[in-house]
Amino acid sequence: ILNVEQSPQSLHVQEGDSTNFTCSFPSSNFYALHWYRWETAKSPEALFVMTLNGDEKKKGRISATLNTKEGYSYLYIKGSQPEDSATYLCAIPPTSGSRLTFGEGTQLTVNP
Amino acid sequence: NAGVTQTPKFQVLKTGQSMTLQCAQDMNHEYMSWYRQDPGMGLRLIHYSVGAGITDQGEVPNGYNVSRSTTEDFPLRLLSAAPSQTSVYFCASSYNLGPQETQYFGPGTRLLVL
Repeated sequence: ILNVEQSPQSLHVQEGDSTNFTCSFPSSNFYALHWYRWETAKSPEALFVMTLNGDEKKKGRISATLNTKEGYSYLYIKGSQPEDSATYLCAIPPTSGSRLTFGEGTQLTVNP
Repeated sequence: NAGVTQTPKFQVLKTGQSMTLQCAQDMNHEYMSWYRQDPGMGLRLIHYSVGAGITDQGEVPNGYNVSRSTTEDFPLRLLSAAPSQTSVYFCASSYNLGPQETQYFGPGTRLLVL
């Protein structure tokens, strides 16, 4: 079983602040890293799938970077808005397929 | 496409009762899975299936059964509900078993076992 760790566990920021959080994973036998966004009372939705060391992906004000050699990925949110409030999950598939192992998530609250 | 659907949305059971959580997808996905979400523990894999007629255990399979008689449906059965099974259950599917495949989640079923 892969060990996927996310930090911090929760985060409160003010509207307009930029923020970032971390996903750490074993650097050996890396295949891919997934970021999901999960709003309360809704289902998790995919944000990014990242595979290559040095990858950087962007969707609007949200971006992510990947370092497979040291085993971490950062998720950045620029100019946070209340609608960004959600739990952000990262997940790693084991070597044999897409049975994702999820981290515990970072719960972001953006105060207006 | 409806995507991944789950029923019921909410359920209250008494200890010892059995029930089936339904999951269906209309995207012709081969891979389907069930997760449970508990506070402070993230999403944990219960069972998964790589195609009709094929199922396997995930991280926390005890107390649950699954079957996959069709590509579309992947029901999760609680044999004898226990308070420890109080959780939010998510069904997910993806086109195949590749590590880069995005998984699509259903809306979840909130289960309370008294």
